[in-house]
Amino acid sequence: GQQVMQIPQYQHVQEGEDFTTYCNSSTTLSNIQWYKQRPGGHPVFLIQLVKSGEVKKQKRLTFQFGEAKKNSSLHITATQTTDVGTYFCAGRTGGYNKLIFGAGTRLAVHP
Amino acid sequence: DVKVTQSSRYLVKRTGEKVFLECVQDMDHENMFWYRQDPGLGLRLIYFSYDVKMKEKGDIPEGYSVSREKKERFSLILESASTNQTSMYLCASSRTGNQPQHFGDGTRLSIL
Repeated sequence: GQQVMQIPQYQHVQEGEDFTTYCNSSTTLSNIQWYKQRPGGHPVFLIQLVKSGEVKKQKRLTFQFGEAKKNSSLHITATQTTDVGTYFCAGRTGGYNKLIFGAGTRLAVHP
Repeated sequence: DVKVTQSSRYLVKRTGEKVFLECVQDMDHENMFWYRQDPGLGLRLIYFSYDVKMKEKGDIPEGYSVSREKKERFSLILESASTNQTSMYLCASSRTGNQPQHFGDGTRLSIL
């Protein structure tokens, strides 16, 4: 079945270092969403990418959607302790309502 | 702000029991979803509903059923709980199929 693979599973950085998580789909996606889940919390929507090659920025976060719409990345510049949590990508194909979530990347930031 | 409320944060049940997990959203959303979250596996879709009395199987529906009698409420039912259903269960809703999903705080269910 359709899969969304996300790497790395876990990343430990020093505060101020950059961080990137990658998602790859086995099939072409119509769009991809990114969510953040703080420890003990629930996933919270960050952004949606729809167009091939799209790049969106939210302050220190940069989101990219690949040209073939099969991969995506989230890059955080100069991490802060408030960035701690698990980041999930979630892809959608065609007109279906359901999202396929990646396994998530857990980010730990040490001061 | 969208509010998705799950009836319990923590629940302990016994093997073989019938278990009901309730979810209510207050934003008149069309779509509602039930996921389970396990370490290293991310969020896996159990069932979803795009309208009252409508339901669709997700990726792991075995051992579960759902009910959506009213638009705001989506219930997950474990017909006969088993230990491998011990997990965190998350409910979500979205206005339409392509809109962001809003999650509840989750129910951590332990089956003994």
